[in-house]
Amino acid sequence: SQKIEQNSEALNIQEGKTATLTCNYTNYSPAYLQWYRQDPGRGPVFLLLIRENEKEKRKERLKVTFDTTLKQSLFHITASQPADSATYLCALARGGNTPLVFGKGTRLSVIA
Amino acid sequence: GAVVSQHPSRVICKSGTSVKIECRSLDFQATTMFWYRQFPKQSLMLMATSNEGSKATYEQGVEKDKFLINHASLTLSTLTVTSAHPEDSSFYICSARQLLETQYFGPGTRLLVL
Repeated sequence: SQKIEQNSEALNIQEGKTATLTCNYTNYSPAYLQWYRQDPGRGPVFLLLIRENEKEKRKERLKVTFDTTLKQSLFHITASQPADSATYLCALARGGNTPLVFGKGTRLSVIA
Repeated sequence: GAVVSQHPSRVICKSGTSVKIECRSLDFQATTMFWYRQFPKQSLMLMATSNEGSKATYEQGVEKDKFLINHASLTLSTLTVTSAHPEDSSFYICSARQLLETQYFGPGTRLLVL
């Protein structure tokens, strides 16, 4: 069965450093992959989308890579700030009108 | 980005009653809406996919008679939890799709059944 794994349940990092979160998948061929941020008691907020034919996407301090050979996406936050502390969710979809399927998320804590 | 609202944000009800949750796309038309539920420290689990004007498609294990979904217009979908029981207590989140890719999520509804 398809599986989406976000390797770290929790990640602590010092302010100013680059946070790197990992998303691996098996038995799945996504057309695109998305990263979301979720704060406690709130719905997910869309951050970035990367398609299967794209290697890298950037948005301000965020960078996402997508390696369909390794079946892996990396999500980077550079110059991390305490305000970046949240749970980050990786989600995949096959394309068309198929729904997103989510990983369990990584809880990031940026320590001042 | 696109805005999706949910109402109510939290609700407490007695066991056996029904609860309706509304999901609206405020600044775009959503041909497809999705309903998820999330337990503490767990990921979002898809419950159903709802297309405007047609019956919802439910995921395996989700009772369609218990979780009634109505997608009456391109901006509104409702989820009704019928005869709610304590085990239905959860965080329910709707999502709307504007194009064939990005899903935008509502703020969620916390349901507590006593």
